[in-house]
Amino acid sequence: DAGVIQSPRHEVTEMGQEVTLRCKPISGHNSLFWYRQTMMRGLELLIYFNNNVPIDDSGMPEDRFSAKMPNASFSTLKIQPSEPRDSAVYFCASGGRGIGQETQYFGPGTRLLVL
Amino acid sequence: GENVEQHPSTLSVQEGDSAVIKCTYSDSASNYFPWYKQELGKRPQLIIDIRSNVGEKKDQRIAVTLNKTAKHFSLHITETQPEDSAVYFCAASIFQKLVFGTGTRLLVSP
Repeated sequence: DAGVIQSPRHEVTEMGQEVTLRCKPISGHNSLFWYRQTMMRGLELLIYFNNNVPIDDSGMPEDRFSAKMPNASFSTLKIQPSEPRDSAVYFCASGGRGIGQETQYFGPGTRLLVL
Repeated sequence: GENVEQHPSTLSVQEGDSAVIKCTYSDSASNYFPWYKQELGKRPQLIIDIRSNVGEKKDQRIAVTLNKTAKHFSLHITETQPEDSAVYFCAASIFQKLVFGTGTRLLVSP
């Protein structure tokens, strides 16, 4: 049974470039979450989707960040243009919805370095 | 919004000792409290969770307690082993959103 899949696992880019992170949630899960982890700010929720619909994007730091979920098995997080302060590990997590289904399962993460 | 505080930030114990990590939350509407373990360079992995209608839950060497009145919950690890060394995060959930504590780095020395 495959867990959450993220790609790429590592990304090194230069400031100003567009970065696209990808996530495939666990089959059957109807909620998807994007997190960012840094030493300074810890684990932060950026945005989450229920049934492919964005529910709360209040954690998205600024307009340079955007996320989409075109179908139940795929989501992207895009940064355009990227800046050095965007360097972090980005995790995608998926889970169910409703009482008893709150558990979120994390993907392996994408380690992003913006030079 | 919800705010989760976690203590201590680092914890060093000898193998076989017990370890306790404490968290407090601010929003009384939070109803789900998971604990995640994160090893260096790895993803956070759920180790135990508790819902607001339960006061205590155990799973082998780990247990979690919840005091809704005081709005705090704790992770207890007994008979610690070197492989328990990692960063542990508590979280509180309201309307699906997980708000994480700042993490506790646990070091278990042989």
